[in-house]
Amino acid sequence: EVQLVESGGGLGQPGRSLRLSCAASGFTFGDYAMHWVRQAPGKGLEWVSGISWNSGSIGYADSVKGRFTISRDNAKNSLYLQMNSLRAEDTALYYCAKDIKASSIFLSADYWGQGTLVTVSS
Amino acid sequence: NFMLTQPHSVSESPGKTVTISCTHSSGSIASNFVQWYQQRPGSSPTTVIYEDKQRPSGVPDRFSGSIDSSSNSASLTISGLKTEDEADYYCQSYDSSNHGVFGGGTKLTVL
Repeated sequence: EVQLVESGGGLGQPGRSLRLSCAASGFTFGDYAMHWVRQAPGKGLEWVSGISWNSGSIGYADSVKGRFTISRDNAKNSLYLQMNSLRAEDTALYYCAKDIKASSIFLSADYWGQGTLVTVSS
Repeated sequence: NFMLTQPHSVSESPGKTVTISCTHSSGSIASNFVQWYQQRPGSSPTTVIYEDKQRPSGVPDRFSGSIDSSSNSASLTISGLKTEDEADYYCQSYDSSNHGVFGGGTKLTVL
């Protein structure tokens, strides 16, 4: 059974940093691209970032480019999102999502985690 | 940047069929694959259709996806509606500049 478990969310102050993690199991993690997708309270879904199976292709939404960094450790079956220079508009539930493909970071998700909540406030 | 436009809400009775549209604002809907995600209240999204019309294992064949180039739109059709189908549905696609673009979501009410 595919499982994606996010962690690392919480209260972050504007301008500070948070690091999210996603622990994957139930599939060969290193064979698939992975993504972060967020959902602000009461709002729709927004793609944040994606990374190919070997970290050779990485992409970011314009709203987070230059502030967020996605990475993965295939040996640890884990995906990460380093969030710097946090803003109030980054407040959202952050989902980890598995892609159906290995190399392409154009989102085609087939499994999603339960999400971790990030609240940015002073 | 392109946009995907969905109706804000749709409603239908149990046992009936409902279709949710997703209109591409520019370019061709057929140029890149469309996915559909279901999000029940208080839950994370699940994938019901990927690559225009493919169903993940475990998704019943009551769910189907299609593309219409004449209207430049994608559609999700749910037949034999059940109360458990009540949820928000999001379409999603991409292009060379935008790796993941979501529609605004459609709230399906099964009354």
